[in-house]
Amino acid sequence: DVKVTQSSRYLVKRTGEKVFLECVQDMDHENMFWYRQDPGLGLRLIYFSYDVKMKEKGDIPEGYSVSREKKERFSLILESASTNQTSMYLCASSLSGQGTYEQYFGPGTRLTVT
Amino acid sequence: DAKTTQPPSMDCAEGRAANLPCNHSTISGNEYVYWYRQIHSQGPQYIIHGLKNNETNEMASLIITEDRKSSTLILPHATLRDTAVYYCIVRVAVKAAGNKLTFGGGTRVLVKP
Repeated sequence: DVKVTQSSRYLVKRTGEKVFLECVQDMDHENMFWYRQDPGLGLRLIYFSYDVKMKEKGDIPEGYSVSREKKERFSLILESASTNQTSMYLCASSLSGQGTYEQYFGPGTRLTVT
Repeated sequence: DAKTTQPPSMDCAEGRAANLPCNHSTISGNEYVYWYRQIHSQGPQYIIHGLKNNETNEMASLIITEDRKSSTLILPHATLRDTAVYYCIVRVAVKAAGNKLTFGGGTRVLVKP
C-alpha cells in the first residue's frame, strides 16, 4: 500500500519562527510536491522536486524554501513564518517520465501562525 | 489545461449509484480526464483517469462521451465513507517536472443513510 506521511497533522507557530514541514514517501517516487490549500483558492503548488537535490519553483514560492537530500524525503521550510502562511499544507509524490502518473498525497499539515 | 465545470453539490442515497458529471468542452486531443476526491481534513486521493475509452477500477467507473466534451464518474454503490469533495481535472500527460495538479471547486457529495 502506497504511503506518504507528513510529520505533523496540526502545528501552531508564532510569527517569525522558522518552521520545518517534513514529508516522507515509501514508493521510491522520483517526484515530490508541496501544495497549500486555502478555502476559495483551491490547491496551489509551492515547490516540487524531480530528483534528489533538484527543485523547481511552483506558483507561490515566496516565503518558502525546500530541501531534498534523500529521495524519500522532501522538506518545506518557512524561513520566518507569517500569519498569511496559515494554511493546510499537502505533500504529494509521483512517478516520473512521460506518462499519466497520478499523485499520491499525504494527510496534510494544518499550520496556524499566530 | 482545459477548464472543467462541475455542479457544486449533490446528495446520494447510501447503496445507490452516484453519477458525478463534469463538462470539459475545450479539452484537447492529448488531454486526459482525472478524478480525485478529498474527504474532510484529509489529503486528496486519486480515483481514476482516462483518455477516450471508458475505464473501471475497484473504486469507480469513468464514462467519457464520444466527443470527449464531458464525462461522468460513477460510484456504483455509494457508502457513507464516499462523502467527500470530488474534483474533475483535465491535463496533458507530461514529464512530471511541472506536472502540478490544479483543483477547481469540485462537487461536494453527501451520501445519506
